[in-house]
Formats: sequence, structure tokens, C-alpha cells
Amino acid sequence: DQQVKQNSPSLSVQEGRISILNCDYTNSMFDYFLWYKKYPAEGPTFLISISSIKDKNEDGRFTVFLNKSAKHLSLHIVPSQPGDSAVYFCAGTYGGATNKLIFGTGTLLAVQP
Amino acid sequence: EAGVTQFPSHSVIEKGQTVTLRCDPISGHDNLYWYRRVMGKEIKFLLHFVKESKQDESGMPNNRFLAERTGGTYSTLKVQPAELEDSGVYFCASSQAQRQNSYEQYFGPGTRLTVT
Repeated sequence: DQQVKQNSPSLSVQEGRISILNCDYTNSMFDYFLWYKKYPAEGPTFLISISSIKDKNEDGRFTVFLNKSAKHLSLHIVPSQPGDSAVYFCAGTYGGATNKLIFGTGTLLAVQP
Repeated sequence: EAGVTQFPSHSVIEKGQTVTLRCDPISGHDNLYWYRRVMGKEIKFLLHFVKESKQDESGMPNNRFLAERTGGTYSTLKVQPAELEDSGVYFCASSQAQRQNSYEQYFGPGTRLTVT
């Protein structure tokens, strides 16, 4: 009953090109979505978020798009840099009293120099 | 500002033994969360404290897991007795009291637990 799915376990992109990481969700009760980046032996670090009432949020090289009708969101990184190589997790939250995060399984991004 | 810290970074124990993990949240953060990632799968929610009170413990696997947050500061997660399936990386995260449109949680580096 995985509520957040990241169907691509890995992605390889050339430096300078666009990286597109995808995420699908099943629970329409999510009211916020977040992307986290994780390097080996470190904890996840927050990258960017989007409210369920928005369809786009941009922060520098990172843009998140939300398509509520398709229950799909994507993270675009432009231009990709070797330092972006990490595991990217998509997460949804219902908000409310707990704000617990429901994560996907992650996508390993490798940016080739 | 110091981030979320966790101790130990790695623990190897035998099945049936007891292990206690510790998390120190960012100072002033009322919310403290425990998560676990098993074998490269998704990061799963375990429980949530608001100060010293358990707000949501719906993700705790079973009664072999006991979490405490005395005084609303650091938290401990005890596994007793440990089973093989408890192996994984245990993450702690913290956040400030709820602010509008702010759901960001700050994660610690995790404790890698290996049960043999």
C-alpha cells in the first residue's frame, strides 16, 4: 500500500543537461509535497516543496511541478552538476497534527562530468 | 546552529540483545520524529513527539520498540529484544512548532543498526 512511488531507481544525466525525477502518489489527501536529497552516510536534506494548491515552485536550479489530476509530481534540475549526484526522495504529508512524511523509495541520480 | 545529532552512528548487535539509539534535535524544536529505512526501501515513519508527548506512534512496528523523550529534549529509541528484521538505518528528524506552509523536517545522519 505504498502511497508514494518513485518508479525509476536510478537516472544518469550529463553535466549541464536537465535532470527530471518523477514521483507518483495515490493519496489525494496529501496537502504538501517535499523533495529531499541524500548523500551516502548522511541524513536526507530538504531541497524544495510545493503546496497541493500550486502547480509549480521554483528555487534556483530546482523546479517542482505538480499535476494533481494525474497524481504526479516531478523535480527538474537545470543545469545538472556533478555535485547533484545523490539519492532523491519524494515525500507527501497530510499536514494536520503530525505532519509525518510519507516517502517514496528514492531515485539515485548520477550526473556524469 | 547545531543540527540534529544521533548516537551511535553504527551498532552491531546479536539477535535477542537490546540496543538504545539516541537523538538530539535542533535546540528549540518541539517536534521530533523517528523514521527507519530498511534495505534500500522507502524511509518509513515510526513516531512523532511534540515536546515530551507522543503525538503519533502509528508507525511503530511492535511492542519491542519503545521511544521516550523525557523533558522534551533528546529522545531515545530502545529495541528489546532485537530481531533480524530490525536491521536498517534509523533517522531522527526535528522541526519547529507548526508554522503555516512550513513542513520541512531536519534530519540527523542516522544510526545504522545491524542485527546478526
